[in-house]
Amino acid sequence: DADVTQTPRNRITKTGKRIMLECSQTKGHDRMYWYRQDPGLGLQLIYYSFDVKDINKGEISDGYSVSRQAQAKFSLSLESAIPNQTALYFCATRGPNDEQYFGPGTRLTVT
Amino acid sequence: DAKTTQPPSMDCAEGRAANLPCNHSTISGNEYVYWYRQIHSQGPQYIIHGLKNNETNEMASLIITEDRKSSTLILPHATLRDTAVYYCIVRVYNNNDMRFGAGTRLTVKP
Repeated sequence: DADVTQTPRNRITKTGKRIMLECSQTKGHDRMYWYRQDPGLGLQLIYYSFDVKDINKGEISDGYSVSRQAQAKFSLSLESAIPNQTALYFCATRGPNDEQYFGPGTRLTVT
Repeated sequence: DAKTTQPPSMDCAEGRAANLPCNHSTISGNEYVYWYRQIHSQGPQYIIHGLKNNETNEMASLIITEDRKSSTLILPHATLRDTAVYYCIVRVYNNNDMRFGAGTRLTVKP
């Protein structure tokens, strides 16, 4: 079984809709991250969390919110989706040697 | 975090060593060099990281120059499954800001 899972894997939604992307991990890591990737580009950090009580903004947090429901779960929400939020979204955890473990990604399309 | 420069693309023959360069001339003394790769649109995969000494693990070797201004990731026997985009990232250890640039697209050819 995968250590970091994301649901859904693909999602098509309409402008103005609220959508939630979910991430779960079985690695027991405290730190979790959300990134987005636009076609042909590198990853950009949206939000990160050290534990359930500690949430921090990344470089592109506008238009997004997060919830850390438990050590193992970290959700990303788009309150009112817009077309330029169409992207590939990755969740990740951080291990004890500062390495990051990424989920398989969610491909989101906003029409 | 220091900026990195990588060639946009490289080819390598299957079974040969793949040597991927990275320039980071503005690296600070407390910044490490990290390598990740991304196969097609999958989640990035951690490969290796180092501060100033050469490092080796089951996936690759990392060679960092003595002045630390550049490094090379070596895949000793490239296979077709190593075709991916390889990212070189320089950052302070444990810093939460990890910036991925455009990387190098490595194509391993039969």
